[in-house]
Amino acid sequence: DTGVSQNPRHKITKRGQNVTFRCDPISEHNRLYWYRQTLGQGPEFLTYFQNEAQLEKSRLLSDRFSAERPKGSFSTLEIQRTEQGDSAMYLCASSPGAGQVSSGANVLTFGAGSRLTVL
Amino acid sequence: AQKVTQAQTEISVVEKEDVTLDCVYETRDTTYYLFWYKQPPSGELVFLIRRNSFDEQNEISGRYSWNFQKSTSSFNFTITASQVVDSAVYFCALHGSSNTGKLIFGQGTTLQVKP
Repeated sequence: DTGVSQNPRHKITKRGQNVTFRCDPISEHNRLYWYRQTLGQGPEFLTYFQNEAQLEKSRLLSDRFSAERPKGSFSTLEIQRTEQGDSAMYLCASSPGAGQVSSGANVLTFGAGSRLTVL
Repeated sequence: AQKVTQAQTEISVVEKEDVTLDCVYETRDTTYYLFWYKQPPSGELVFLIRRNSFDEQNEISGRYSWNFQKSTSSFNFTITASQVVDSAVYFCALHGSSNTGKLIFGQGTTLQVKP
């Protein structure tokens, strides 16, 4: 397995445009997470999936943000009508599923991130 | 509320010096996990260690060691004989049992190791 893969790595867009990021998790992981990281800050949780079910969304996730994981494998994060404040690194991570915390269910493996710049 | 505080924003040392990165956490959960991640300039967060709240034994892995003290809610990370390759941003994180799956991260400490 090649780890968590994110595409595109960099995206520059104009304010008001829509953007979509894709994350391919480690194949045997059934949990998938999205985080956002701005310069000089730690990652902030956005949302997470257990298989195809979106189990939690942060209040940071405005109505312009939507995430999907249609078949419980890859996930997409779409930002509509982008604003300059959306400029950040969007990180995807995956982990083994529930009931396996003792064996590492909460050990997140991160991708390299997708950097968004909104002009 | 759950919170992780890394008070040191930046640390600069000369190669071969020892350095300790501080982490203080807050949680009301009795069961929780603490983590350290490394983020090198390439950007990808790399898992270093996970400790659970019932195991206060200190851990050593090569030049890395971790000191977990529940009495002071701290989980500090020491690098012995630092090397230039240790230069990175280091994050401490918390997963509480009430927290579903997500990790709460601190703001990170940027470590610069000069040759």
